[in-house]
Amino acid sequence: DAGVIQSPRHEVTEMGQEVTLRCKPISGHNSLFWYRQTMMRGLELLIYFNNNVPIDDSGMPEDRFSAKMPNASFSTLKIQPSEPRDSAVYFCASSRTETGMKETQYFGPGTRLLVL
Amino acid sequence: AQKITQTQPGMFVQEKEAVTLDCTYDTSDPSYGLFWYKQPSSGEMIFLIYQGSYDQQNATEGRYSLNFQKARKSANLVISASQLGDSAMYFCAMREGEGYQKVTFGTGTKLQVIP
Repeated sequence: DAGVIQSPRHEVTEMGQEVTLRCKPISGHNSLFWYRQTMMRGLELLIYFNNNVPIDDSGMPEDRFSAKMPNASFSTLKIQPSEPRDSAVYFCASSRTETGMKETQYFGPGTRLLVL
Repeated sequence: AQKITQTQPGMFVQEKEAVTLDCTYDTSDPSYGLFWYKQPSSGEMIFLIYQGSYDQQNATEGRYSLNFQKARKSANLVISASQLGDSAMYFCAMREGEGYQKVTFGTGTKLQVIP
């Protein structure tokens, strides 16, 4: 079975540019999570969707960040305009809520973003 | 207060030896789940093992076991017969309560297996 798919795997951009990260969750999973990982702050939850609906976006840093999930098989995380401090690894994870407390999040390979 | 605390930034273990990675947690919710993930240098996050707060027995998955001490609020990961491929960052994580999916991660422990 295919795991969580993320694209691009690497992104280098200049400050001020728009960046779009993409995620395809595991088929049948109905929850999707966007995380950011940096050395300074560790792994932070940015936003989480359940059945395509944003449930908790309290981790989204500021208005420059936005996330959408137009259908069960696709989500995007957009940064506009990007800043050097956005440089990080961005992970997408998915899970299936029916498994209850044991529900496990499965992570994609991550997108390494560098903003110059 | 930190919800998940991993006090060992880095550890070394000899190949074929067992190693314990510490994790303590803080929650007032009686229903919670604890997870361990492995992150090798390639960067992916790999799920290893799960322990539920109501589980009577310690979880095991192959060479991984979880030493769950509820009264002490600790959930240490034990890796038996370490292999060179076990060298990685290890993260402890917790989900609290029913119906909400947010998982809080610790800061991780970097394990290096020495040949």
